[in-house]
Amino acid sequence: DARVTQTPRHKVTEMGQEVTMRCQPILGHNTVFWYRQTMMQGLELLAYFRNRAPLDDSGMPKDRFSAEMPDATLATLKIQPSEPRDSAVYFCASGSEGRAKAQHFGDGTRLSIL
Amino acid sequence: GDSVTQMEGPVTLSEEAFLTINCTYTATGYPSLFWYVQYPGEGLQLLLKATKADDKGSNKGFEATYRKETTSFHLEKGSVQVSDSAVYFCALSEDGANSKLTFGKGITLSVRP
Repeated sequence: DARVTQTPRHKVTEMGQEVTMRCQPILGHNTVFWYRQTMMQGLELLAYFRNRAPLDDSGMPKDRFSAEMPDATLATLKIQPSEPRDSAVYFCASGSEGRAKAQHFGDGTRLSIL
Repeated sequence: GDSVTQMEGPVTLSEEAFLTINCTYTATGYPSLFWYVQYPGEGLQLLLKATKADDKGSNKGFEATYRKETTSFHLEKGSVQVSDSAVYFCALSEDGANSKLTFGKGITLSVRP
């Protein structure tokens, strides 16, 4: 089965450091989503892309977060500078057009900011 | 805007018990409806879906029926197993071009032997 691949799976770093999370969507999928999951807030949509163009990043703190798709096989989510409150599990999901189409999730990056 | 409401959790059941997890939705158009499951340490996986009224989605013994008249999509299983312990999310999609999902808050199910 095709899968969404996320790297790294775990990341521990000190506050103020830059963090880059990567996602390889399923080949042929043209939509990519970034989510953040915490115990307090649950699952939050941060940003999403269609055909590599950003459509909505209103869920992201703009001053420190950025999301890009350098090409169709790679999506990145960067945090600079990182803060302890950014500690969470970050998920990438990909999908294709159509309201009946499901999103396919990666296994996430568990981020801890000390 | 669109929204999904799930019953409050967590839910704890004994093995072989009957499961119902309630989900209701609000949408401006005609959404597709989904149930996702998240096992510990993993991402969300599609469990089942339904795309029009009265459709029944089913998978792994779970079922849910798209009820337009009550705007509901309740998840049921006749006999739960310990391996069904997970977090369950109800979701809807109305944005056909982008497959964007609106999720409920999720509910944790624990099944004891």
